[in-house]
Amino acid sequence: AQTVTQSQPEMSVQEAETVTLSCTYDTSESDYYLFWYKQPPSRQMILVIRQEAYKQQNATENRFSVNFQKAAKSFSLKISDSQLGDAAMYFCAYREETSGSRLTFGEGTQLTVNP
Amino acid sequence: GAGVSQTPSNKVTEKGKYVELRCDPISGHTALYWYRQSLGQGPEFLIYFQGTGAADDSGLPNDRFFAVRPEGSVSTLKIQRTERGDSAVYLCASSLWGSSYNEQFFGPGTRLTVL
Repeated sequence: AQTVTQSQPEMSVQEAETVTLSCTYDTSESDYYLFWYKQPPSRQMILVIRQEAYKQQNATENRFSVNFQKAAKSFSLKISDSQLGDAAMYFCAYREETSGSRLTFGEGTQLTVNP
Repeated sequence: GAGVSQTPSNKVTEKGKYVELRCDPISGHTALYWYRQSLGQGPEFLIYFQGTGAADDSGLPNDRFFAVRPEGSVSTLKIQRTERGDSAVYLCASSLWGSSYNEQFFGPGTRLTVL
């Protein structure tokens, strides 16, 4: 079974600084997707960024980028120029390539942004 | 357009009671997922529908949990003889089959409290 591990229960960053959230996963599959979701207190899960395993190039979305290391099964999220609105719980998630597959989530990292 | 909606937003019930949680997916989305998120944890998969049928119900914890999607749109998660351990946020997500990444769009969840 696939597992996703986030080893940082809490992280904090100063506004305008950069922070990196860690995620490792375990799978025997070669094709899959990885995601980072943001969950503010409203509980709404919001997709931040995604990465296809077959792509070597790291995904970027504005201030958000990932460092995908397939051999090491590592998928970290870097948030640049942190903003107060970035404060939330962040979840790393894995999904098999097969359509309709479930998402497997990590335990989450609570990010605090200090003004 | 409208996103995924879930009702009620909060539900408080007594141990042993029956509850129904409703999910309205994004119009036209053929795939629908239920997840359960316990306090301080990441969401855990419960069941996945493709159209009207449950394509994968392997995440349902026991036979007290049941879900239906009779017309391929709205889904209801039913919990019989509720227990205190059922207290959690129940998240629903939908996706469009065959779309890019089959991205899952989440609703705001129903917080269930069993007293």
